[in-house]
Amino acid sequence: ETGVTQSPTHLIKTRGQQVTLRCSSQSGHNTVSWYQQALGQGPQFIFQYYREEENGRGNFPPRFSGLQFPNYSSELNVNALELDDSALYLCASRTGTSGSYNEQFFGPGTRLTVL
Amino acid sequence: AQSVTQLDSHVSVSEGTPVLLRCNYSSSYSPSLFWYVQHPNKGLQLLLKYTSAATLVKGINGFEAEFKKSETSFHLTKPSAHMSDAAEYFCVVSDDLNYQLIWGAGTKLIIKP
Repeated sequence: ETGVTQSPTHLIKTRGQQVTLRCSSQSGHNTVSWYQQALGQGPQFIFQYYREEENGRGNFPPRFSGLQFPNYSSELNVNALELDDSALYLCASRTGTSGSYNEQFFGPGTRLTVL
Repeated sequence: AQSVTQLDSHVSVSEGTPVLLRCNYSSSYSPSLFWYVQHPNKGLQLLLKYTSAATLVKGINGFEAEFKKSETSFHLTKPSAHMSDAAEYFCVVSDDLNYQLIWGAGTKLIIKP
């Protein structure tokens, strides 16, 4: 069974650029969530996709957008990058939509640095 | 609204001594609560979860947590610390209405030899 994978592992961008981060969910999982973890803080929920539709969103502006594909892999897109977007971006997959009873499995993350 | 507060940003214990990481939560309904661990350069791993069954929850690697509704607490404990336990620990509450997990700020556990 393959776990959650993310690419790339590290990325350096400049302010104003756009970035796309990728996530492959664990086999059999149909729900993907994305989190932003700034240095020294806990993860912050960005949004969740269930069967290719966004069904939950945290307090992030519209320049953070995403996609989920028929194979349940996912992309996180960030436009007009700002310095504060520098963080570890985590992807997690699970079955179903509720966080209560189904464990989320996390990928190792993508470290984004915005200069 | 759901929230969690981890009461210590850093906890330092000697190897072989007990570990206590404190977490208080706020919830408008019966919560689901989790503890996750994050080792450097590794993904987050679920230690244990509480979902309204037994109030004392046993997890992996000898950790356990007790749900105390009257105190709105969900503290994580381990009888004897091991060097491999050094990591960041996060207390998490599930916000089912908005399909998200709400995370504490984390507690860094330091193990002294």
